[in-house]
Amino acid sequence: AAGVIQSPRHLIKEKRETATLKCYPIPRHDTVYWYQQGPGQDPQFLISFYEKMQSDKGSIPDRFSAQQFSDYHSELNMSSLELGDSALYFCASSFPGRYGYTFGSGTRLTVV
Amino acid sequence: DAKTTQPTSMDCAEGRAANLPCNHSTISGNEYVYWYRQIHSQGPQYIIHGLKNNETNEMASLIITEDRKSSTLILPHATLRDTAVYYCIVGTIMKTSYDKVIFGPGTSLSVIP
Repeated sequence: AAGVIQSPRHLIKEKRETATLKCYPIPRHDTVYWYQQGPGQDPQFLISFYEKMQSDKGSIPDRFSAQQFSDYHSELNMSSLELGDSALYFCASSFPGRYGYTFGSGTRLTVV
Repeated sequence: DAKTTQPTSMDCAEGRAANLPCNHSTISGNEYVYWYRQIHSQGPQYIIHGLKNNETNEMASLIITEDRKSSTLILPHATLRDTAVYYCIVGTIMKTSYDKVIFGPGTSLSVIP
């Protein structure tokens, strides 16, 4: 069965650089969620999109932005990267009314 | 305030049943109990959910007390691959895009050979 695809799997950036993470939800899933998981921490909700509109916002820094495109894939753009942004970034998708979200394998971002 | 309380860690012998408890004393009538798990550095994985009846699927069973203030996730025959952090989450039916999974401190389950 198709899963949530995230790219790239690993990314190394220097401080103050920008990074773009991509998420391709399961076909027909129209809601996308982004999570950040720092070392030894639980996943933290960042932002979500439904039908290409932002639907909810969590603890997402102002340096980050995201959008969902017409084909339902989503991108998380991160600017002025800081060392503390080093984390696993997960994307999840869901179909309203269906139970449970499906998470991707994540992108590991390392800021040096 | 956290909606659920779980033990920080648990051990289970391989092949035995793993029983993971969760307290959710402030659960409201329209809220479900969901369980997810996260194997080290992998994406979280949905396991099961329930409202008030006990539920079973190919992965686990969920036992919810009659007063709904606590529940237990049961992995009937734990394997080494079940070693993970297990999250008990209380939330609505998640019918809309505004319903999000909020992860709190879960239970780190170690399955021991």
